[in-house]
Amino acid sequence: AQKVTQAQTEISVVEKEDVTLDCVYETRDTTYYLFWYKQPPSGELVFLIRRNSFDEQNEISGRYSWNFQKSTSSFNFTITASQVVDSAVYFCALIIYGNNRLAFGKGNQVVVIP
Amino acid sequence: GAGVSQSPRYKVAKRGQDVALRCDPISGHVSLFWYQQALGQGPEFLTYFQNEAQLDKSGLPSDRFFAERPEGSVSTLKIQRTQQEDSAVYLCASSLVGVSTDTQYFGPGTRLTVL
Repeated sequence: AQKVTQAQTEISVVEKEDVTLDCVYETRDTTYYLFWYKQPPSGELVFLIRRNSFDEQNEISGRYSWNFQKSTSSFNFTITASQVVDSAVYFCALIIYGNNRLAFGKGNQVVVIP
Repeated sequence: GAGVSQSPRYKVAKRGQDVALRCDPISGHVSLFWYQQALGQGPEFLTYFQNEAQLDKSGLPSDRFFAERPEGSVSTLKIQRTQQEDSAVYLCASSLVGVSTDTQYFGPGTRLTVL
């Protein structure tokens, strides 16, 4: 069985500060995919990134960056120079190759204070 | 292009009533998924379709929950004799092909409140 843990439930930052969201996963499978989704107040889950288990390269997309470390089973997400529009719940999720169900963590509520 | 759409966005039901929730996936997407999201929690998988075939329904919490996708496009999640514990947001997602590694794109959800 797979499990995703997002320990920080709510994080408040002042605008322009950086914020890092931790994601730790558990699986015995060697082939899997990791995802981050953003859920704004409107409720829709917005896809941010997908990373497969064989690709440990970090990725940067604008103000977003991701750090994938298999040695610690972590896939952390950093928002640089946060903005009010970043206020949302962010979910980390895992899917095993050959399976079709995403396993989500409980989410991180990010509040950016202007 | 248009994303995944769901209707209604909000539904209030009295305990014991039946409800039907609709999902319109992204056009051309083969796979369709239903998830249930309780307040303050991450989404939990309910069921999965590839075209019209329901390939996995292991996440459905009871036999009161039923999903269909008769023509391989629109899907309906039906809950019979609703209970208060069914109150949640029901999210639908679709993906282009039928492989597990494909990205799932989500709709806005239907918030169900059972009184």
